[in-house]
Amino acid sequence: SQQGEEDPQALSIQEGENATMNCSYKTSINNLQWYRQNSGRGLVHLILIRSNEREKHSGRLRVTLDTSKKSSSLLITASRAADTASYFCATARDDKIIFGKGTRLHILP
Amino acid sequence: SQTIHQWPATLVQPVGSPLSLECTVEGTSNPNLYWYRQAAGRGLQLLFYSVGIGQISSEVPQNLSASRPQDRQFILSSKKLLLSDSGFYLCAWSPTIAAGIWSPLHFGNGTRLTVT
Repeated sequence: SQQGEEDPQALSIQEGENATMNCSYKTSINNLQWYRQNSGRGLVHLILIRSNEREKHSGRLRVTLDTSKKSSSLLITASRAADTASYFCATARDDKIIFGKGTRLHILP
Repeated sequence: SQTIHQWPATLVQPVGSPLSLECTVEGTSNPNLYWYRQAAGRGLQLLFYSVGIGQISSEVPQNLSASRPQDRQFILSSKKLLLSDSGFYLCAWSPTIAAGIWSPLHFGNGTRLTVT
């Protein structure tokens, strides 16, 4: 069953701009994770935020979590061409980690 | 350091043929292991996960099966492939830690399966 849903499905921005992606989920979670996938490759973990945390930073990444709204956002600041990829949120509950359908981010030169 | 190996990278199989995809993890013990499938341009669908040898949980009832014959080996199989089995198959592992606390997944590079 699909737990997380990312929004938008696709996003194109100019290099240097900020990119914001959103994720909504349906049930209670232990934590929420964001991953990145370059075309044809496996996923790479970016950042994990626990259910009792509201905001977390890692380099140019900023993640927020609102458990009352069951939503999270991923902000990439000062985007670069190398940020072009698909981004997925994943929620952890019991023994399972369930992924959303992802946001395809394209950074325009 | 821990590494995950997944093979083959690409596979073309006729409908009705068997399938065996293998995934091994090095540098850790008693990992949680996962098989996901990704259809073209879509998200990841959890197929199977395992928290120990011989312990397999299935998320999607279909003609696929999984086995964990050794601690760090996870195998995805099918006796007869269907056209709908085409996709990108990803193996992943995470450390086994305290209940209710979860670590990120580490993914292999995937197997691109085309059923013809």
